[in-house]
Amino acid sequence: DAKTTQPNSMESNEEEPVHLPCNHSTISGTDYIHWYRQLPSQGPEYVIHGLTSNVNNRMASLAIAEDRKSSTLILHRATLRDAAVYYCIKRGGADGLTFGKGTHLIIQP
Amino acid sequence: ETGVTQTPRHLVMGMTNKKSLKCEQHLGHNAMYWYKQSAKKPLELMFVYSLEERVENNSVPSRFSPECPNSSHLFLHLHTLQPEDSALYLCASSQGWRGVYEQYFGPGTRLTVT
Repeated sequence: DAKTTQPNSMESNEEEPVHLPCNHSTISGTDYIHWYRQLPSQGPEYVIHGLTSNVNNRMASLAIAEDRKSSTLILHRATLRDAAVYYCIKRGGADGLTFGKGTHLIIQP
Repeated sequence: ETGVTQTPRHLVMGMTNKKSLKCEQHLGHNAMYWYKQSAKKPLELMFVYSLEERVENNSVPSRFSPECPNSSHLFLHLHTLQPEDSALYLCASSQGWRGVYEQYFGPGTRLTVT
């Protein structure tokens, strides 16, 4: 039970923004929303995480719905190096990350 | 470079062998994790350590034995493995073991059991 729902795959063009959706309708008040990505033959890479407010860092932005039941990872200007599997994870207390199948992001040149 | 290193990067072992995977983090973190990634399956959490104490064991068979001698090092001892244990084994670390902390992953050890 991955506890989040993401599209299996998405496609975007290089240098355009990408919006990756995630549904987490069973989220509790103390659960953080984490995003990781995994490039082929590499370990997962941390992207961003947040609790209630929208978050920005050098890699991406995270927009969290007001009811916290969904969120969107925003890559402002996709490059070919952003092609990866993106995982949205709901993480509460003392446990590790529960990965689902993620979204396979394809970037077209 | 994430600050988490794993050795070896590749390992081939027979079912009767005993081997160990090593993970080292250079980030000053207090929590460390082992994950398993089999072909075409999501990553699975195996073990969680916080301040060298095991805090989670996700029903992992006893042929996998973790060891955390200090907060910078984590080992996974392997013995009498099965071919279905062939997978990518990933180590991760975080500042703490609660949801507020992000995890940093090593490159993984690709294990093949023959």
